[in-house]
This record gives sequence, C-alpha cells and structure tokens, in this order.
Amino acid sequence: AQKITQTQPGMFVQEKEAVTLDCTYDTSDPSYGLFWYKQPSSGEMIFLIYQGSYDQQNATEGRYSLNFQKARKSANLVISASQLGDSAMYFCAMREGTGNQFYFGTGTSLTVIP
Amino acid sequence: DTGVSQDPRHKITKRGQNVTFRCDPISEHNRLYWYRQTLGQGPEFLTYFQNEAQLEKSRLLSDRFSAERPKGSFSTLEIQRTEQGDSAMYLCASSISGQVGEQFFGPGTRLTVL
Repeated sequence: AQKITQTQPGMFVQEKEAVTLDCTYDTSDPSYGLFWYKQPSSGEMIFLIYQGSYDQQNATEGRYSLNFQKARKSANLVISASQLGDSAMYFCAMREGTGNQFYFGTGTSLTVIP
Repeated sequence: DTGVSQDPRHKITKRGQNVTFRCDPISEHNRLYWYRQTLGQGPEFLTYFQNEAQLEKSRLLSDRFSAERPKGSFSTLEIQRTEQGDSAMYLCASSISGQVGEQFFGPGTRLTVL
C-alpha cells in the first residue's frame, strides 16, 4: 500500500482565492510527522509546513495551513490568497516514528490563474 | 550561500559508465539524505547518514549504488555501470538531529544515461 496518496495530479486556482490540496497517508505507527513541500520549476524542494501526529492544533505557517484529520488519515494543505508565485508542484510526505525515511506522494501540480 | 549544494547540476553519460555526485550539506547539519526523483513522481528515499555513519539504505537501492560521507561533512553518491533506468534527478537533503525533521534540499543533480 502507498504510504502517501495524492489524488489530484493537477489543480487550478484563481489568484487571491484559496485552494486545498489533498493528502492521505497510511501508517500503523502512532507517532509520525507529516510534511508539505513545494517544488517550483527550478527543481528545489522547499519546506512549507509540518504536523506532528500528537499535535492538537492544526499547523499554520503564514498563508499555509494543514487540515489534519487524524481519524481519516488525511493531511490536506490549504493555501489562502493564492499568488502567481504559488504555481508549482506540491508534495506531501511522512516520516514514521523515529525512522529516518521520508515517504513522498506523487505530487499535485498547482497553477494559479491571473 | 549557506544552503545545500550539489555538484554537478547536470550529468550526461553513456550506459555502462560510472558517475559520482557530490553533496555539501548545511554546515551544522549532521543528518544527510539522498533521494531519487523521476519524472512525475515524488522523491524516493535512497539512503541516510548521521554524521559519517550510513544508518539506513533503501531496499530498492541496487548494489551498483554506493554512498559515502567520510568526515561527516560532504557526501558522495556513486553509480557504477549506469543503466538508462538510472536517469533521474538525484536530490540531497540535510537536517539537524533534535528538530522536527524539516529537511533542507539541494538543487539536485539531473542524470541522463544515453
């Protein structure tokens, strides 16, 4: 089974609107971390936001927030007030327990329309 | 610039040749990771170092691949007898023990095997 599933290959959003990128995960470890990364066309992976499995609050970082629904095993990324510079690939990732492997999804390509 | 650097950025080689890539992590980071990313996919974990010790290696990693981090600073990834299927982006990332696990990625080395 896939550890991380991103079911949206591509998404479009109007500039200044909010967009939600979906991510579901699969693990039996009670301790895990969830991450979102942005990969612009230049190729470099940029860390956006982190959510720990024991965190009570949803993580937020500026215009990014993570909608963490533990029972559903989902960790959707919400980008508010989209900007043209948000156009990129977005990857959801997970690290289980104290392990050092990060498991990445297949990514979602986001295009912001002016 | 104090980010993660990788060299070369691009490498074209003929099938059967050996190639070596270098990664220089952020100076105070003791953890170093190698990933491979093919078109349309997320990064796939290859191996992990803590200081100079290689602590984890993906079971998917062929024995043609070897990585070193001799002094706990820079790392090299060597691919022997390259195959066309090795064509990919090879990403390096680093982090510090004790933090939530945020990884800082380098720009990657794009390998093309003809």
